[in-house]
Amino acid sequence: DAGVIQSPRHEVTEMGQEVTLRCKPISGHNSLFWYRQTMMRGLELLIYFNNNVPIDDSGMPEDRFSAKMPNASFSTLKIQPSEPRDSAVYFCASSFGHETNYGYTFGSGTRLTVV
Amino acid sequence: AQKVTQAQTEISVVEKEDVTLDCVYETRDTTYYLFWYKQPPSGELVFLIRRNSFDEQNEISGRYSWNFQKSTSSFNFTITASQVVDSAVYFCALSGAPEVIFGPGTSLSVIP
Repeated sequence: DAGVIQSPRHEVTEMGQEVTLRCKPISGHNSLFWYRQTMMRGLELLIYFNNNVPIDDSGMPEDRFSAKMPNASFSTLKIQPSEPRDSAVYFCASSFGHETNYGYTFGSGTRLTVV
Repeated sequence: AQKVTQAQTEISVVEKEDVTLDCVYETRDTTYYLFWYKQPPSGELVFLIRRNSFDEQNEISGRYSWNFQKSTSSFNFTITASQVVDSAVYFCALSGAPEVIFGPGTSLSVIP
């Protein structure tokens, strides 16, 4: 089991540029979550997919953020245009089933720096 | 509302000391799950334990033990004979709907 795979591990970009973060969940998991971690706000949920369908995107901070899950093995989180305040670690996590009772398996995260 | 509180922001201990990380949660659900995650300096989030709200038995795994007390809504985590490799941020979490709700974390430093 390769675990949840995120790419890139680190991303440095200039303000105004488009950034795309990628995630491959564990095979067989049908729920996928994008979290953002900052010192000020801790771990906050951005969006949640179940069976490739976005279920709850209320955590997406603004229209500059968008997420897709075109199939069961791939998801993207896009920020366009990026701003310095988007600098954070972005985690993808997957789980089996709609309920979160089994906890998540997290990817290694993408550390985004917007300068 | 569902909430997880970890009152200890930072803890420092000397190696081989025992340390307890506190976690208090709030939920109106009658069935729920509690978790602990570890985030070492490398940054990844590592799942440590899951606990069902119906099971109040304490659990021990090597140097780690967990004390779940439903009466006080607490799920505390004890590391016995701490080691430098235990230095990390530890998150307590609660199953929500739909997401897992994380506490703010406790940063543990184990000094050699």
